[in-house]
Amino acid sequence: AQSVTQLGSHVSVSEGALVLLRCNYSSSVPPYLFWYVQYPNQGLQLLLKYTTGATLVKGINGFEAEFKKSETSFHLTKPSAHMSDAAEYFCAVSDMDSNYQLIWGAGTKLIIKP
Amino acid sequence: EAGVTQFPSHSVIEKGQTVTLRCDPISGHDNLYWYRRVMGKEIKFLLHFVKESKQDESGMPNNRFLAERTGGTYSTLKVQPAELEDSGVYFCASSQGPWGANEQFFGPGTRLTVL
Repeated sequence: AQSVTQLGSHVSVSEGALVLLRCNYSSSVPPYLFWYVQYPNQGLQLLLKYTTGATLVKGINGFEAEFKKSETSFHLTKPSAHMSDAAEYFCAVSDMDSNYQLIWGAGTKLIIKP
Repeated sequence: EAGVTQFPSHSVIEKGQTVTLRCDPISGHDNLYWYRRVMGKEIKFLLHFVKESKQDESGMPNNRFLAERTGGTYSTLKVQPAELEDSGVYFCASSQGPWGANEQFFGPGTRLTVL
């Protein structure tokens, strides 16, 4: 069965530091991979997605993620954290075997220290 | 263009009562989805509408949950009778095309607390 593991329910970084949020998935067929962000009191917003093609995907607000098939990973990065990046981030996978349902990770809360 | 809206934003009810959650998708989006997140756990798929038809309801937890989408516009999710374990945040999403690679646009969620 498909699953998504996000390492760390909370990640704390200093403003200006590198942001790295980890996501590993399990899928026996080519997956679609997504990162969503939820700011306080708002709905989930798509940051970026991988479907096919280039494995390095750029998203909004300076975020990017790289699909590494050999490592079954789709880690999210941003070179320099801003205070406005404080939010909860969700990794999700979908594939043909799951009838393209989104299978979600448990979420990672990103805390930005001034 | 208005996004996905959900009503109410919060609902507190007692065990055994009935609650109805509403979702208004983005205009023109045929696909509508319901998800639930129990506190501290991952978001779980509940069901998927294409227009007024239920395309996939494999995630509905039991027959206390009833979802409808009359006329293929807004959708309601009724919980009757509510149990303690139904507490959580219920998200609605919509998309133009079928899911897979298509982006789903999410509403802010309804936080349901069952006492």
